[in-house]
Amino acid sequence: AQSVAQPEDQVNVAEGNPLTVKCTYSVSGNPYLFWYVQYPNRGLQFLLKYITGDNLVKGSYGFEAEFNKSQTSFHLKKPSALVSDSALYFCAVRDMRGYGGSQGNLIFGKGTKLSVKP
Amino acid sequence: ETGVTQTPRHLVMGMTNKKSLKCEQHLGHNAMYWYKQSAKKPLELMFVYSLEERVENNSVPSRFSPECPNSSHLFLHLHTLQPEDSALYLCASSQDLQGPDTQYFGPGTRLTVL
Repeated sequence: AQSVAQPEDQVNVAEGNPLTVKCTYSVSGNPYLFWYVQYPNRGLQFLLKYITGDNLVKGSYGFEAEFNKSQTSFHLKKPSALVSDSALYFCAVRDMRGYGGSQGNLIFGKGTKLSVKP
Repeated sequence: ETGVTQTPRHLVMGMTNKKSLKCEQHLGHNAMYWYKQSAKKPLELMFVYSLEERVENNSVPSRFSPECPNSSHLFLHLHTLQPEDSALYLCASSQDLQGPDTQYFGPGTRLTVL
């Protein structure tokens, strides 16, 4: 079965320090992987995605993510955290089972709350 | 803004009311989705439409009834809801169902059922 795991409910970081939000996945074939961010009372905003090619993907707001096939991971990173980065972060994998209407479905992790303190 | 709008942003309704949520996308996409986001639970996919045809219904109770009159609009009709249906309802769209297309989300409707 396809699945995504975000092992940390919350990550606390001091402003200016690097941050990492972890994500591991399980799919039967090659994955398409996504990161989204959700600010309070808002919808999900797309940050970046991995399709193929370079394992390091750069996205919005200075975020990047590294695809590691051997570890089945897609961790989100930022070299220097800002207080405004405090939000809920979701990792997602595209369901590529390839039957019926499931091809387009995103499978989401449960989310990780990032808190950046001044 | 993502190009996906939802109205209303907040809705309070009694269990006997009938209401509708509206979603509109201005991106020229062919696929649209309804998700439910409850506290402390992963996002739940409810319905998927592609070119105005429903392609997935994830065992959603019949008190939720989707409608997709064209590729730009998606509705979720609500009737005789239960308090446990209180949640943030998110609409999303993508170019197509195939491949690595990104889903773009609206701001959501915060629903409270009394």
